[in-house]
Amino acid sequence: SSELTQDPRVSVALGQTVRITCQGDSLRKYYVSWYQQKPGQAPKLVMYGKNFRPSGIPDRFSGSRSGSTASLTITGAQGEDEADYYCHSRDITATYRVFGGGTKLTVL
Amino acid sequence: QVQLQESGPGLVNPSGTLSLICDVSGDSINSDYYWTWVRQPPGKGLEWIGEMSHGGSPTYNPSLKSRLSISVDESKNQFSLNLSSVTAGDTAVYYCARAGFNSYGMDVWGQGTSVTVSS
Repeated sequence: SSELTQDPRVSVALGQTVRITCQGDSLRKYYVSWYQQKPGQAPKLVMYGKNFRPSGIPDRFSGSRSGSTASLTITGAQGEDEADYYCHSRDITATYRVFGGGTKLTVL
Repeated sequence: QVQLQESGPGLVNPSGTLSLICDVSGDSINSDYYWTWVRQPPGKGLEWIGEMSHGGSPTYNPSLKSRLSISVDESKNQFSLNLSSVTAGDTAVYYCARAGFNSYGMDVWGQGTSVTVSS
């Protein structure tokens, strides 16, 4: 079982705002990174650190953290945002890293 | 432009050893990054396998640690994964990736290589 918990499925209407969450005790201490994966493709980093976006990632993607929960927010979701999203961070002992189970985002 | 490319056999016999190499181009393996392996079983989520940095000790997923070895070859600018005593449960797409020391994030990924464990 994953030490980072994500909702398996989330849906959002086109142009609306959606929040994808990741919960884990280690997140009280460590930042999370977020990855987008489309079918047949390698994962792509979309957010990392306190709230950093890699070059080329649209500014509709943002990140936040509150207590043991980290969130990836997409403001004005587009069709191309439909994908699986994974959070990733250290475990609570900081001896290894873990992924969340992933969230499948559907844009309606 | 930094690129990573995995290579290795696509089919491994049960109880054998899975060996993969990740070739790094556009950057030095001696740079301050975590050189990382991630895998994804068919239809399932991502699993962090382990990482190694230049001059550092490798860090492994505890569930794989007893069977796993990750190393860096500076002369060839590549890093490798060796997973022994494989079973069908090790069948997956294996990715190599680069992660920064500061503000950690895996920003460069290989395309992935599919490995099937079967006789």
